[in-house]
Amino acid sequence: EAGVTQFPSHSVIEKGQTVTLRCDPISGHDNLYWYRRVMGKEIKFLLHFVKESKQDESGMPNNRFLAERTGGTYSTLKVQPAELEDSGVYFCASSQAPIRAGSEAFFGQGTRLTVV
Amino acid sequence: KNEVEQSPQNLTAQEGEFITINCSYSVGISALHWLQQHPGGGIVSLFMLSSGKKKHGRLIATINIQEKHSSLHITASHPRDSAVYICAVGEGSQGNLIFGKGTKLSVKP
Repeated sequence: EAGVTQFPSHSVIEKGQTVTLRCDPISGHDNLYWYRRVMGKEIKFLLHFVKESKQDESGMPNNRFLAERTGGTYSTLKVQPAELEDSGVYFCASSQAPIRAGSEAFFGQGTRLTVV
Repeated sequence: KNEVEQSPQNLTAQEGEFITINCSYSVGISALHWLQQHPGGGIVSLFMLSSGKKKHGRLIATINIQEKHSSLHITASHPRDSAVYICAVGEGSQGNLIFGKGTKLSVKP
């Protein structure tokens, strides 16, 4: 069974450009989470989808970040325009039930974003 | 102060040593997760526990709910155990994971 996959694995863009990250969850997992780790800090929650609906987007840093999950399958996270402080590793995770219900989370490899 | 604190931040051990990584948290939780991240790699879930103890191979995880503390033990450590070990708690009300900063473990041959 394929795990959680993320594309690309690494992206280097210039400040002001747009980048779109993609996450394919494990098939059948309704819950999809985005997290981010910036240099030297702990991983932080960004948002949570249940199927195609945003359950919680309280961790999104600002309106330059837009997440979608059309059809409740894969999800995209777009940063537009990118700023230097957006650099970090973006992780996606999926689970059958919500994590608060005690469901195990499966993580992707992460996308390392570098904004120069 | 972070809601999830790990210690130590960095740990160097000789192959074969018994290793303990600690995690303390200050929020009510639904479950605690121990995760492993190899250099340049993704995150792998090692354990999810809400009480007692779990064992998988050379890895043992314990949790004390009353003391809000968990430990991850590695017996007979090996260089391939070198990685960052992350403690994360599923916070009770919202349920989203709150992460510790991680413990970087290096096991020397």
